[in-house]
Amino acid sequence: SQQGEEDPQALSIQEGENATMNCSYKTSINNLQWYRQNSGRGLVHLILIRSNEREKHSGRLRVTLDTSKKSSSLLITASRAADTASYFCATAVSNRDDKIIFGKGTRLHILP
Amino acid sequence: NAGVMQNPRHLVRRRGQEARLRCSPMKGHSHVYWYRQLPEEGLKFMVYLQKENIIDESGMPKERFSAEFPKEGPSILRIQQVVRGDSAAYFCASSPSELPATGELFFGEGSRLTVL
Repeated sequence: SQQGEEDPQALSIQEGENATMNCSYKTSINNLQWYRQNSGRGLVHLILIRSNEREKHSGRLRVTLDTSKKSSSLLITASRAADTASYFCATAVSNRDDKIIFGKGTRLHILP
Repeated sequence: NAGVMQNPRHLVRRRGQEARLRCSPMKGHSHVYWYRQLPEEGLKFMVYLQKENIIDESGMPKERFSAEFPKEGPSILRIQQVVRGDSAAYFCASSPSELPATGELFFGEGSRLTVL
């Protein structure tokens, strides 16, 4: 079964608006990562947040992690057409460092 | 510095044939992961390999599927006697030798298998 579940499954917003995607997971984790996948392409790593971190920034990306709620959010500010893609969270469970599990993803569509 | 290379990018097989998907990890990476993705779905973990070792194959069907990562050459995901349900995109990812799960995975562009 999937470790992570993204919410919403699909999101359409106007260019320039902020996009927020959420991820919930089931077991304890060492870290949580977010990846992006453009249609028909491989996944690209965006950002990693460790279990002892609460917030992390990278350019227009902001990731939060709440281990008490087993959830994370990815915020993309000032969205652009090029941000249209699927976004996945991925977790490495604490007792299985060698296995990274992906959620089903959020399909983000930026409207011009 | 070449990224993760997968080939073929597209493969068409008839039911009952064999499919072989190859993955060359990034230079210096000795950890390889295979994932399967159906349209509009997430990635499902199949198998994790290090050079000459299968570390975790819990996501791979016990029948018809096998994977290897030899000392020399690419990692191979082999599907024997393919069925229509095997049609999917198969992604390979690699990570550096040390502490694989504390770092990012580097993905190839995937191999898209279509079974007629």
